Amino acid sequence: GAGVSQSPSNKVTEKGKDVELRCDPISGHTALYWYRQSLGQGLEFLIYFQGNSAPDKSGLPSDRFSAERTGGSVSTLTIQRTQQEDSAVYLCASSFPGIDEQYFGPGTRLTVT
Amino acid sequence: AQSVTQLDSHVSVSEGTPVLLRCNYSSSYSPSLFWYVQHPNKGLQLLLKYTSAATLVKGINGFEAEFKKSETSFHLTKPSAHMSDAAEYFCVVSEASGTYKYIFGTGTRLKVLA
Repeated sequence: GAGVSQSPSNKVTEKGKDVELRCDPISGHTALYWYRQSLGQGLEFLIYFQGNSAPDKSGLPSDRFSAERTGGSVSTLTIQRTQQEDSAVYLCASSFPGIDEQYFGPGTRLTVT
Repeated sequence: AQSVTQLDSHVSVSEGTPVLLRCNYSSSYSPSLFWYVQHPNKGLQLLLKYTSAATLVKGINGFEAEFKKSETSFHLTKPSAHMSDAAEYFCVVSEASGTYKYIFGTGTRLKVLA
């Protein structure tokens, strides 16, 4: 079956621009997670969705970062006024509710110039 | 708070020799633990997971890990390394507070020498 998909696979943007990253989870997975993988910070949690609600946003690094999920499916992570330190690979994962095994997408590599 | 520590950032082994990647965890309750592998420019793939059933867990590609509560360890092993095992390996603990968000170790890069 189809796995978690993310788009775009690569994004290069200029400092100060806004970017949107998309995640399409596995069908039936109501839990969705965003993580960031960067050289300095390793892999870190950003935000968790259960359905369309985000009960845990504790990992978002600043108010420039936001995310939403619609229809209990696709999620969009938005970074406003991008900075060079936002350069990283953004990973999305999904799982069945109450199950702690997550399935990861291939990631979006964001480069801020 | 939960955490994981991967004791080696880099490990080199010769093809055909055993692999040992070390992971220690900290948790106030019985954790769920995972090992994931990431090949260059690829996504994260689950190797194996421990969720309080058997303490010796077998995964894909000949890997296994043993949960040792007394040592708070979850080391990953393989009897014989293959060139295709060269990758980065992450030990992960799942937060059991209801979100199940992952807390990652810093990773171990495995190099396999011919």
